[in-house]
Amino acid sequence: DTGVSQDPRHKITKRGQNVTFRCDPISEHNRLYWYRQTLGQGPEFLTYFQNEAQLEKSRLLSDRFSAERPKGSFSTLEIQRTEQGDSAMYLCASSHRDRGYEQYFGPGTRLTVT
Amino acid sequence: DAKTTQPPSMDCAEGRAANLPCNHSTISGNEYVYWYRQIHSQGPQYIIHGLKNNETNEMASLIITEDRKSSTLILPHATLRDTAVYYCIVPWAAGNKLTFGGGTRVLVKP
Repeated sequence: DTGVSQDPRHKITKRGQNVTFRCDPISEHNRLYWYRQTLGQGPEFLTYFQNEAQLEKSRLLSDRFSAERPKGSFSTLEIQRTEQGDSAMYLCASSHRDRGYEQYFGPGTRLTVT
Repeated sequence: DAKTTQPPSMDCAEGRAANLPCNHSTISGNEYVYWYRQIHSQGPQYIIHGLKNNETNEMASLIITEDRKSSTLILPHATLRDTAVYYCIVPWAAGNKLTFGGGTRVLVKP
């Protein structure tokens, strides 16, 4: 399968702990996006990269959140000092630069903060 | 993003065509209409997009009205696996972020 993969698929953590998620995009895609989805809502944009450069961050991305894409391939999303409100599905997507709105999503990482 | 309006839910009989409407009356001349769907517990899936001509691919057809203020996604022969939330999106922002609204929850019934 050459689609977008995310790891882990599920994460349960206690409030105050740090968590890190990984996303591996489709190999030929140079754009990578992170979205967050809470129950019953549509996905909300968090941030995106073109190659290794982080070009945009949503206001939803508080100081506790950081994302990296060090070599322009896989990306990590870290949440520090997790709060119960961080419980959500974290989705990663990738696209080719010339077809940016045609995004291919991974299965998501479901985070539960207890 | 141009605002889109979709019915919150609709049912469809298995094997019949499902016609999903979307209003985007504030769309501008160079904005495309994109459709995605999200099956339960999966990430969204790109379906199709168009500017002003009708489009068809292996998943669906997209009909855009001449004034471009509305469109219809057609699933020609709905199956149970087409049960999902369908999102109509008119993105414009630089960076290609997608803004998902409420979508239409489609239930295909046997």
